[in-house]
Amino acid sequence: GENVEQHPSTLSVQEGDSAVIKCTYSDSASNYFPWYKQELGKRPQLIIDIRSNVGEKKDQRIAVTLNKTAKHFSLHITETQPEDSAVYFCAARGGANNLFFGTGTRLTVIP
Amino acid sequence: KAGVTQTPRYLIKTRGQQVTLSCSPISGHRSVSWYQQTPGQGLQFLFEYFSETQRNKGNFPGRFSGRQFSNSRSEMNVSTLELGDSALYLCASSPVPSAGDEQFFGPGTRLTVL
Repeated sequence: GENVEQHPSTLSVQEGDSAVIKCTYSDSASNYFPWYKQELGKRPQLIIDIRSNVGEKKDQRIAVTLNKTAKHFSLHITETQPEDSAVYFCAARGGANNLFFGTGTRLTVIP
Repeated sequence: KAGVTQTPRYLIKTRGQQVTLSCSPISGHRSVSWYQQTPGQGLQFLFEYFSETQRNKGNFPGRFSGRQFSNSRSEMNVSTLELGDSALYLCASSPVPSAGDEQFFGPGTRLTVL
């Protein structure tokens, strides 16, 4: 089955700086890669996703890049704000059509 | 549209008991997936249901089971509860179970096993 690894597990950045979270996956059949943000006590919410036919996708301050050859994808948050503080999960979905999640990155944005 | 709902939100049980959790998907969504979230293991896939049939199953023991009804509502059951079953159980719905459809998560049921 799919195995998704996520790094780092914790990340602290100064407000206004950029944050990068990286994930690798093992199943070459995986073709959908969402990123979820989970605030304390709340449900995970999709913030951006990318499909395997695209190398990069951007939505305002958030971007995701995908390298299918190397089987890794990354989340980039620019101009971070305190409200970006949360746990971020990457996931991969492949032939079995179920999502495999990374173990999460706790992002803290220091004002 | 109402979001995904889960009941109950909180549950306390003792070892050996069994528990049933319920999930109502977004109206029109026919696929429901269940996940277990723990601090140490993150989000782990339990199973997925579509059209009342289990399509996929994660790597969990047979004590974890589920079902889906004709209105797409789903239940999961955990029998002979163990301390390690304490977790947040999340369900997520999507229109159909094809890769590329966003999954919308419910608020979760926090299960505590004493």
